[in-house]
Amino acid sequence: EVQLVESGGGLVQPGGSLRLSCAASGFTFSDYWMTWVRQAPGKGLEWVASIKQDGSEKYCVDSVKGRFTISRDNAKNSLYLQMNSLRAEDTAVYYCVRGRYADSSWGQGTLVTVSS
Amino acid sequence: EIVMTQSPATLSVSPGQRATLSCRASQSVSSGLAWYQQKPGQAPRLLIHGASTRATGIPARFSGSGSGTEFTLTISSLQSEDFAVYYCQQYNNWPPSTFGQGTKLEIK
Repeated sequence: EVQLVESGGGLVQPGGSLRLSCAASGFTFSDYWMTWVRQAPGKGLEWVASIKQDGSEKYCVDSVKGRFTISRDNAKNSLYLQMNSLRAEDTAVYYCVRGRYADSSWGQGTLVTVSS
Repeated sequence: EIVMTQSPATLSVSPGQRATLSCRASQSVSSGLAWYQQKPGQAPRLLIHGASTRATGIPARFSGSGSGTEFTLTISSLQSEDFAVYYCQQYNNWPPSTFGQGTKLEIK
C-alpha cells in the first residue's frame, strides 16, 4: 500500500522558515517524480513544486521562486520542501503527491500557518 | 499559464439524479485533464485522468469527456458519498499544472 506521510508543519512568523518532510513507502520512491501541492484554508488547490526522480530537474510556481526549495533523498525515501521568507499567503495545508500530476497517491497533508 | 474555470460554483442535485460539472481551459490542453473529488478534512482523490480514463477503483457512475478546452465530469446516479467538492486539473502544459477553483456538489 502506498503511503505518504507529511510532517514539519506548524505556526511560524512572517519572514520565518520551515522545512516540510514527506516519508514515502509502499512503492519504489526513486522511480517517481514527486510533487508538493498546497491548499489555503477554504480555497482551492495549487501546484507548488515538482522534482524529477534523480533530483536533476526541479520546477516551482512563480509565487515561491527564490523562497522555496524542493529536494529529495532517495536513500531515505523522503521528499522535502524548504520554505524561507514565509508570508501570510503561504498559509495552507501542504500535500505530498506521487508523480508530476494526475496521481492517486496523496498524503494527508501538513498545515503551515504564517502569522505573527 | 493556463487558467481553468469550473462551472457552476455550486450544484444542487438530488440523490439518484445525474450531475454534470464543467471545466474550461483558457487554451487547449488536449486530453491532459484530470478530475479530483475532495471531502472535508481529506486529501483529494483522483477520479479521472486523460480526460476520460477512470482511475483505479473509481465506480463506473463517474465519467469524463471532452478535449481541447471544454471538459465534463458526469456522475450518472448520485450516491450520498458523492456530495463533495470537485476539481479539474490540466497537466498538458506543465509546468505549471493548474487547477480549477472547484465545484461544490450539494444535496438538493
